[in-house]
Amino acid sequence: AQSVTQLGSHVSVSEGALVLLRCNYSSSVPPYLFWYVQYPNQGLQLLLKYTSAATLVKGINGFEAEFKKSETSFHLTKPSAHMSDAAEYFCAVSVPGNQFYFGTGTSLTVIP
Amino acid sequence: DSGVTQTPKHLITATGQRVTLRCSPRSGDLSVYWYQQSLDQGLQFLIQYYNGEERAKGNILERFSAQQFPDLHSELNLSSLELGDSALYFCASSSGQGAFSSQPQHFGDGTRLSIL
Repeated sequence: AQSVTQLGSHVSVSEGALVLLRCNYSSSVPPYLFWYVQYPNQGLQLLLKYTSAATLVKGINGFEAEFKKSETSFHLTKPSAHMSDAAEYFCAVSVPGNQFYFGTGTSLTVIP
Repeated sequence: DSGVTQTPKHLITATGQRVTLRCSPRSGDLSVYWYQQSLDQGLQFLIQYYNGEERAKGNILERFSAQQFPDLHSELNLSSLELGDSALYFCASSSGQGAFSSQPQHFGDGTRLSIL
């Protein structure tokens, strides 16, 4: 069973517009959740993580994500997109049973 | 710079061959994870080691094996290579003990494997 689902494999926004990348997870117990970003020809970099301390998590580069248990979601947002935000974004979940799953990724395009 | 080093960066070989990918984790991290990233399969978790012991296994083929050495570096061995094994192979390290951990993983830049 898929533990993490990213809705929308491609998202385009205008520079300065709101960025919203969606992630839903499935887990019978509260998981640990992560967002990573991958720039071309590079490895993944951690943007932010949720570890049950606070439901609204702030990350690097102005990104934040909110954990909503009732919706089993962990959507990534940024108020104003910058050209440098164009990249592939991955949601990831760490669940009991010693497994770590990545979503299929969302490619973000920023239109000038 | 994540602190995770992967070598080589690129590897080109033929079907049926065997290759070894190497990973040095961040200083202080005891866990090493291996992933395969391809266009059709996305990012797939292969296997995790913690302080020399296998801790978690994902979608790793029997033709693939890995180990973590006493100095904590890890190697991923791929044998009887097939065209479909062409992919980016990432190593990540973490201070967490298991794959179920609040500790984030830090990724290397990957090894691009091309099978001709």
